[in-house]
Amino acid sequence: EDKVVQSPLSLVVHEGDTVTLNCSYEVTNFRSLLWYKQEKKAPTFLFMLTSSGIEKKSGRLSSILDKKELFSILNITATQTGDSAVYLCAVGQAGTALIFGKGTTLSVSS
Amino acid sequence: GAGVSQSPRYKVAKRGQDVALRCDPISGHVSLFWYQQALGQGPEFLTYFQNEAQLDKSGLPSDRFFAERPEGSVSTLKIQRTQQEDSAVYLCASSLPSGSHNEQFFGPGTRLTVL
Repeated sequence: EDKVVQSPLSLVVHEGDTVTLNCSYEVTNFRSLLWYKQEKKAPTFLFMLTSSGIEKKSGRLSSILDKKELFSILNITATQTGDSAVYLCAVGQAGTALIFGKGTTLSVSS
Repeated sequence: GAGVSQSPRYKVAKRGQDVALRCDPISGHVSLFWYQQALGQGPEFLTYFQNEAQLDKSGLPSDRFFAERPEGSVSTLKIQRTQQEDSAVYLCASSLPSGSHNEQFFGPGTRLTVL
C-alpha cells in the first residue's frame, strides 16, 4: 500500500530556532514530492522535488529529496511566529492524485 | 490571476440532507481534484477530472458521493443523505496537465459539519 509518513507529528520551537521536518515514502510510480504549508485555509505550495540531491531554496526554507533512501526533509532557519502552521508532504504518482502524509504541526513561540 | 475558489466556505447540514459543494478552478487548468481532509489528518483523494472526464473516482467513500464537471471547468461535489462521518473539510485543487501535472493549487476548502 502506498504511504507517506511525516515526522515529527508536532513540534514546538522558539523564534530563531532552526527546524527540520521529515517525510518518508513508499509509493509506486513515484513522480514528484511536494511540500505544502497549511494554515487555517488552503494548503499553499512550497516546493516540488523530482530529482535527488538538488536542494530547492526559498528564503529561509529549503528542501531536498533522496530517491534512494525514499525521503525528503524541509528545513526552516531562523523561524518566525508566522511559520506556525501544518506542513504537509505529498507524493505525486504519474497521472493520479497526490498522496499526503498526516502533516507536521509546527508552533513557533516568541 | 485568480486562484481556486470554493463555495460555500462553511456548510452545516442535518443528517440525511443532501449537500452540493462547488469548485471554480484556475482558468486554463484542465486537471481538477477533490480531497477530503478530516481533523488532524492530511487530505485524502476523492476523485479526479481531466477536462469533463472523470478519470478516477476510486477515493469516493460511498455511492452517496457524486462529482461532476460537465463543461470541463466548474465542478460540483454532491453528497447525498449526509452522515456525521462526512464532516470534514473538502478541498478542491487544480493543475496544468502533463509536465507540471503534480503541482496542484488548492482552494480554501468547504468545511462541512453534519449534525
